[in-house]
Amino acid sequence: DADVTQTPRNRITKTGKRIMLECSQTKGHDRMYWYRQDPGLGLRLIYYSFDVKDINKGEISDGYSVSRQAQAKFSLSLESAIPNQTALYFCATGPTKNEQFFGPGTRLTVL
Amino acid sequence: AQSVTQLDSQVPVFEEAPVELRCNYSSSVSVYLFWYVQYPNQGLQLLLKYLSGSTLVKGINGFEAEFNKSQTSFHLRKPSVHISDTAEYFCAVSGTNTGNQFYFGTGTSLTVIP
Repeated sequence: DADVTQTPRNRITKTGKRIMLECSQTKGHDRMYWYRQDPGLGLRLIYYSFDVKDINKGEISDGYSVSRQAQAKFSLSLESAIPNQTALYFCATGPTKNEQFFGPGTRLTVL
Repeated sequence: AQSVTQLDSQVPVFEEAPVELRCNYSSSVSVYLFWYVQYPNQGLQLLLKYLSGSTLVKGINGFEAEFNKSQTSFHLRKPSVHISDTAEYFCAVSGTNTGNQFYFGTGTSLTVIP
């Protein structure tokens, strides 16, 4: 089984809909991250969490929210999706500040 | 904060030829440096990392990178590429004193030509 899983793997939705992307890990890491990847822009950090009670904004948090339900689960929500949120979303986990392990990604299309 | 520049967005190279993918970083503090590879329709996989010590770092799949502090570079090299090396490669930097965030470059698409 994969150490970092993301659901769904693909999602097509309409403008204005609320969307939740989920990330689960079996690695026992405290640190979890959400990134988005856009062609030509690389990966940009949306939110990160160092434990269940710790949530921090990243570089591009506007339009997104997160929930750390447990050490192993970190969800990303788009309250009202818009087309420019169409992207590939990655969850990552890390045991320390110098390691990150990535999930397989969720491809989100907002029409 | 830190930043990363990958000057080459696309690098085509013939099979069995050597390749170098360039990465330059900017930071006011000491850094950790990373190279990740992304195969089509997959997540990112760590190739190698520099934390401290020897400036020449060896990674998986025959790749290596050299940390050059004076030139603020961390170029990735492989002496002989294979078709299976075709992928997107990302350089990333993190501050040693903060370490809260990884900053990624925009990626280099390596295409190995048979």
